[in-house]
Amino acid sequence: DIQMTQSPSSLSASVGDRVTITCRASQSISSYLNWYQQKPGKAPKLLIYAASSLQSGVPSRFSGSGSGTDFTLTISSLQPEDFATYYCQQSYSTSQFGGGTKVEIK
Amino acid sequence: EVQLVQSGAEVKKPGESLRISCKGSGYSFTSYWISWVRQMPGKGLEWMGRIDPSDSYTNYSPSFQGHVTISADKSISTAYLQWSSLKASDTAMYYCARHRGIAAAGTYYGMDVWGQGTTVTVSS
Repeated sequence: DIQMTQSPSSLSASVGDRVTITCRASQSISSYLNWYQQKPGKAPKLLIYAASSLQSGVPSRFSGSGSGTDFTLTISSLQPEDFATYYCQQSYSTSQFGGGTKVEIK
Repeated sequence: EVQLVQSGAEVKKPGESLRISCKGSGYSFTSYWISWVRQMPGKGLEWMGRIDPSDSYTNYSPSFQGHVTISADKSISTAYLQWSSLKASDTAMYYCARHRGIAAAGTYYGMDVWGQGTTVTVSS
């Protein structure tokens, strides 16, 4: 099994801040890394697929980068609707999710 | 509209069996793999397994292999997740989700359509 480690597990930020979340795989997964946003009581929403491709309809303030074992999700200017939990997911070999990063209001 | 609609909340006793469903509409059901994802109360997402609805080929996470069964009936565009003997630790929200791309290659590119979730509560 490939293990996915996200950091930090939580962070506090203000509207307008630049936010970066990292995800590390226990072995190389090429670029088969996806990012999701989940708000309380809602299903997850796909934000980024294949490490850096923006899913249709997702605001351009979200971006992803990385390959191999290290990946990053960046929110360039945090908006009120972005306070949520974010998960990475590897899809190189079956699938696993990271533990999640909760983005809270400072 | 492309959507996945899941069956309603369930309350069961330990040892009982259960099957929950996920009906796809608005797209070619047999062209996209479906995954099931568990979320225990207050916890993160766990990938359970997936199915190719065209031929019912499945992959399971080692953590769930042997504990659940994933199946599909392509004639009614519905995927299923079932348990033969529930435990209290199966209490969770369960989501189905469609993989983003067509056929097996599509499983590499995330899950773009999600069901609304089915809450399963197992309690004596």
